Amino acid sequence: DIQMTQSPSSLSASVGDRVTITCQASQDISSHLNWYQQKPGKAPELLIYDASSSETGVPSRFSGSGSGTHFTFTISGLQPEDVASYYCQQYENLPLTFGGGTKVEI
Amino acid sequence: DVQLVQSAAEVKKPGESLKISCKGSGDNFNTYWIAWVRQLPGKGLEWMGVVYPDDSDTIYSPSFQGQVTISADKSINTAFLQWNSLQVSDTAIYFCARSVLSSAWLYRWGQGTRVTVSS
Repeated sequence: DIQMTQSPSSLSASVGDRVTITCQASQDISSHLNWYQQKPGKAPELLIYDASSSETGVPSRFSGSGSGTHFTFTISGLQPEDVASYYCQQYENLPLTFGGGTKVEI
Repeated sequence: DVQLVQSAAEVKKPGESLKISCKGSGDNFNTYWIAWVRQLPGKGLEWMGVVYPDDSDTIYSPSFQGQVTISADKSINTAFLQWNSLQVSDTAIYFCARSVLSSAWLYRWGQGTRVTVSS
């Protein structure tokens, strides 16, 4: 299985801050990397697919980049409604695997 | 818009069987893959497996192979996740999610079904 290492596991930032989360794959996964947001008590929602493509309706402050084994997810201007856990997920190979998650607080 | 609606929360005893469901609305339910994802209490997301409702092609994660059964009934636009003998360690929230391929992004999620197994 491909292991996904996500960091940090949690962070606290202020409204308006730029927030960066990283995800490292245990092998080359090209651009086959997605990012999800999960608010407390809710189902995850897809934000970014194929490393850098935004899902329809996702605010422009959310972005992703990277390829190969190193990926970055950025919130450029943290908002109160962004309090959530964020997960990366690879789809280079089955089984699909997720990073351990990053809990973002304000 | 496509929606996935999951069955209600369940409370079961160890050793009991259970089948939870995920019903799709909208067009073309049978021609998209439905994945199942487990979330243990306070933990992250784990992919369990995926089913293609049109022909019931199923792929399991090695971690869940033999522990659960994933199936679908295309006549009622519904996918299922089933246990023959529940364990306390199966206590979790289970999500279904839609994907265009067996290995891709999960772009539409059900609301989750909470399963509690306790004696």
